[in-house]
Amino acid sequence: QKEVEQDPGPLSVPEGAIVSLNCTYSNSAFQYFMWYRQYSRKGPELLMYTYSSGNKEDGRFTAQVDKSSKYISLFIRDSQPSDSATYLCAMSANTGRRALTFGSGTRLQVQP
Amino acid sequence: DAGITQSPRHKVTETGTPVTLRCHQTENHRYMYWYRQDPGHGLRLIHYSYGVKDTDKGEVSDGYSVSRSKTEDFLLTLESATSSQTSVYFCAISDFGSGNTIYFGEGSWLTVV
Repeated sequence: QKEVEQDPGPLSVPEGAIVSLNCTYSNSAFQYFMWYRQYSRKGPELLMYTYSSGNKEDGRFTAQVDKSSKYISLFIRDSQPSDSATYLCAMSANTGRRALTFGSGTRLQVQP
Repeated sequence: DAGITQSPRHKVTETGTPVTLRCHQTENHRYMYWYRQDPGHGLRLIHYSYGVKDTDKGEVSDGYSVSRSKTEDFLLTLESATSSQTSVYFCAISDFGSGNTIYFGEGSWLTVV
């Protein structure tokens, strides 16, 4: 079983829809949670960063972390065709190896 | 954009030949990483470095070696390339000044034939 599980999609939604992307994880030591966006043939770019549990909002994007359930979410409001990309969740622990463990990514297509 | 340059960006090589990918950063970040990305597997850590001459293995390190003789450069070497090493390779950097955030380069596409 992978340490981080993410539904690969693809997820297709109409423009203006609310998108919900999710990951589950098994390592209770994870403290830092991130979402990256990756366009085709590009490197991942950091979208949202959250420490421990709680919510964080940035414009149309909201990240939620529920450590008790080992579940993280990214919500995109008023989705746009330019949001079409692969979204990767990533997380790491506070100690030990300072590297991220990634989900396999969810491909999102926003239809105009 | 984080100042990360990967070279070469695209390479086709033959099975059994050595290949070196280079990552150069201008951010003076302490930590540098090499990941590979394959369909269905996401990004997997190959090797990482936490300082000059300080490196350690990731989860998929077999067949790869790394070196870091300067803060700004991190080299990934495939000692004898195999078809299973056909992949997209991403270099990443971090200083952990803002949590454990990591910034990625644009990738190197490697095909082993």
